[in-house]
Amino acid sequence: AQSVTQLGSHVSVSEGALVLLRCNYSSSVPPYLFWYVQYPNQGLQLLLKYTTGATLVKGINGFEAEFKKSETSFHLTKPSAHMSDAAEYFCAVSDPDSSYKLIFGSGTRLLVRP
Amino acid sequence: EPEVTQTPSHQVTQMGQEVILRCVPISNHLYFYWYRQILGQKVEFLVSFYNNEISEKSEIFDDQFSVERPDGSNFTLKIRSTKLEDSAMYFCASSTSGIHEQYFGPGTRLTVT
Repeated sequence: AQSVTQLGSHVSVSEGALVLLRCNYSSSVPPYLFWYVQYPNQGLQLLLKYTTGATLVKGINGFEAEFKKSETSFHLTKPSAHMSDAAEYFCAVSDPDSSYKLIFGSGTRLLVRP
Repeated sequence: EPEVTQTPSHQVTQMGQEVILRCVPISNHLYFYWYRQILGQKVEFLVSFYNNEISEKSEIFDDQFSVERPDGSNFTLKIRSTKLEDSAMYFCASSTSGIHEQYFGPGTRLTVT
């Protein structure tokens, strides 16, 4: 069965600092991988996705993630944090053999200090 | 930009009552999903729906739950007899195809008292 592990339920960075949110997945088939962001009292917004092709994917708001098959990782990064990045971030994996449902990690709350 | 909409935004109901949560997916999408998020926990898959039938359901989606696409636009989740543990945020999502990203609605917060 597929699963997603996000290390760190809370990550705190200073404004302007590097953001690194970790995601490891388990999948028996080539996965499709996603990062979603959830702002307070809102739904889930897609940040970026990996399906095939280039392993470094760029998303909205300056975020990017790299698919590393050997490490079964899909970590999310942003070179310089902004106060508006404060939110909850969810990594998810989709199984093409299983209705493409999304399996989510437990989420990482990003706090940005001024 | 097209978006998934959900109504109501918040529903309070008493234990044992039936509730229907409504979703309007993006118009050209073919795959539909319901997820739920209990407060402080991860988002969990409930059910997927394609070609007017359920394609997969989770263990959570027992006989108390049902989904329907009554017309060309709405997609509903019915809980027949609500329990306290059904209190959660329920998200609807849709996509054009399986490999494409799912677009989520803003959610319906269900509170069962």
